[in-house]
Amino acid sequence: DIQMTQSPSSLSASVGDRVTITCRASQSISSHLNWYQQKPGKAPNLLIYAASSLQSGVPSRFSGSGSGSDFTLTISSLQPEDFATYYCQQSYNTPLNFGGGTKVEIK
Amino acid sequence: QVQLVQSGAEVKKPGSSVKVSCKASGGTFSSYAITWVRQAPGQGPEWMGGIIPIFGTTEYAQKFQGRVIMTADRSTSTVYMQLSSLRYEDTAMYYCARAPHYDILTGYPDWGQGTLVTVSS
Repeated sequence: DIQMTQSPSSLSASVGDRVTITCRASQSISSHLNWYQQKPGKAPNLLIYAASSLQSGVPSRFSGSGSGSDFTLTISSLQPEDFATYYCQQSYNTPLNFGGGTKVEIK
Repeated sequence: QVQLVQSGAEVKKPGSSVKVSCKASGGTFSSYAITWVRQAPGQGPEWMGGIIPIFGTTEYAQKFQGRVIMTADRSTSTVYMQLSSLRYEDTAMYYCARAPHYDILTGYPDWGQGTLVTVSS
């Protein structure tokens, strides 16, 4: 199985800050990496697929980069509605494992 | 715009089974892969498996092999996930999600609202 490791597990930031979250796969997964945002009591929401493609309807302040085993999610200017938990997920092969999550909190 | 509507919350005893449904509306059903993900309280999402209704093919995570069965009823655009031999640690929110095509290996843009399954004696 491919293991996904996210860092940090949590961070505190202010509105307007640039935020970067990292995800590392235990082996190369090419660009088969997806990012989700999850708010309490809600289902995950797909933000980025195939490492860098922005899902329809997602604000352009979200961007993804990387390939192979190292990936990054960047929020260029954090907005109040962005405080949530973010998960990466590999879709290179099954099981489609998720990372442990990064909780973005208000500073 | 597709909507995935799941069945309601369940309370089950250890050793019993639960069957959760996921009905799709507003879009073509059988040509898209459906996956099931669960999330225990305070934990991250966990992939359980997926089904491609048009082919009738399934793929399950090794962890759930022998305990989970995913089926599809194309006539009602409904997918089912049955989990048997329930344990306390199966207490979780269970989600279905639809892929944008018939490949399980992808990101999932459309999700159901979740079904809470509580295992309690």
